[in-house]
Amino acid sequence: EIVLTQSPGTLSLSPGERATLSCRASQSVGSSSLVWYQQRPGQAPRLVMYAASSRATGIPDRFSGSGSGTDFTLTISRLEPEDFAVYYCQQYGSSPWTFGQGTKVEIK
Amino acid sequence: QVQLQESGPGLVKPSQTLSLTCSVSGASISGGDYYWSWIRQHPGKGLEWIGYIYNSGRSSYYNPSLKSRVTISEDTSKNQFSLDLNSVTAADTAVYYCARERPAGILVDWGQGTLVTVSS
Repeated sequence: EIVLTQSPGTLSLSPGERATLSCRASQSVGSSSLVWYQQRPGQAPRLVMYAASSRATGIPDRFSGSGSGTDFTLTISRLEPEDFAVYYCQQYGSSPWTFGQGTKVEIK
Repeated sequence: QVQLQESGPGLVKPSQTLSLTCSVSGASISGGDYYWSWIRQHPGKGLEWIGYIYNSGRSSYYNPSLKSRVTISEDTSKNQFSLDLNSVTAADTAVYYCARERPAGILVDWGQGTLVTVSS
């Protein structure tokens, strides 16, 4: 199965700053089949990005995704208070679907 | 708006079967356009995809790591689908989520999750 490694584990930033989250796969993820989820404390994950770079419904344009092959990035251009959360990447290019361990974006 | 809600016992004894149900509103699970999935999250840890059912219950796919112990089924008359995980141990203690999956692999809608603890 494909192992996803996210970095950094924790990102300490201030509102208004730019966040760059990385997700690296142990082998190539076919057709850029990668999604990002946001999980706030006590809540279920929420779809943010799919197909590596397509924003999900209702996701503001300060969120962007990029990458292909084994390296993917989620960027939040200007952090809003509601963006502080844990972000998970997940690949669906090869069964079983697998998740990264998460990156926590916390308020500095 | 599609809503999913998990239900079932919060405490299961070791070696027994964990059984959960997901009730769906706002979409028909027999519609054929989506898969219906289960995912779990161990306390303070990451996410693990368990499996899904589709094609009006005629097809399913499970994570190989759990395949020998998992069954996902559906009851279209109640618009519900279910998870059975047998021979549980403490390692199966987790928050269990049900989700609607856009084929294949994009989990677009999630339930709020339910904590299941395996303990005697």
